[in-house]
Amino acid sequence: AQKVTQAQTEISVVEKEDVTLDCVYETRDTTYYLFWYKQPPSGELVFLIRRNSFDEQNEISGRYSWNFQKSTSSFNFTITASQVVDSAVYFCALSAPFINTGTASKLTFGTGTRLQVTL
Amino acid sequence: DGGITQSPKYLFRKEGQNVTLSCEQNLNHDAMYWYRQDPGQGLRLIYYSQIVNDFQKGDIAEGYSVSREKKESFPLTVTSAQKNPTAFYLCASSIDPLRLGTEPYEQYFGPGTRLTVT
Repeated sequence: AQKVTQAQTEISVVEKEDVTLDCVYETRDTTYYLFWYKQPPSGELVFLIRRNSFDEQNEISGRYSWNFQKSTSSFNFTITASQVVDSAVYFCALSAPFINTGTASKLTFGTGTRLQVTL
Repeated sequence: DGGITQSPKYLFRKEGQNVTLSCEQNLNHDAMYWYRQDPGQGLRLIYYSQIVNDFQKGDIAEGYSVSREKKESFPLTVTSAQKNPTAFYLCASSIDPLRLGTEPYEQYFGPGTRLTVT
């Protein structure tokens, strides 16, 4: 069974602070995929990143960076110099590869971390 | 612009009534999904469909039904059998991963429908 744990329910920071959102996952698959999504107050989830289990390189995209540590089953997300527009709920999710025909992308989501950035 | 539309944004129903939530996409995606989100919880998969006229139960399908008569549309019916129907419902779609390999592609989400049943 797959499981994703986001232990931080809510985080509050002041603008321009750096913040790291934790994500720990469990899976028995040797190949798997990890995702981060952002849910702003409007409710629509926005895709941020996908990472496969064979690629442990960290990734940076502007103020966003992701740290994948297979040894600790973690896929943490850091926002550098946070801004008010970063306020949202962030979800980490896990998916297995498709080994059977007719199997769609089944994502297992964590419970999310609400990030509040204030001035 | 391509995307996913869900209507209405807010929906109110009396207990015991069935209600159908709309989901339409113009992204030419084969796969579509329905999720339920409750306060403080992650998204839970209700149903998903890989192709027209075919769909599979997700983790919490009881009390729900779907149809996939057209590639663009994947309506969800919340029946009176669903014990706790009040929730935020999100529809999503993705490229069929079997077209290009075995990697799962990111899902694109609609704006959601907030259903309140009293």
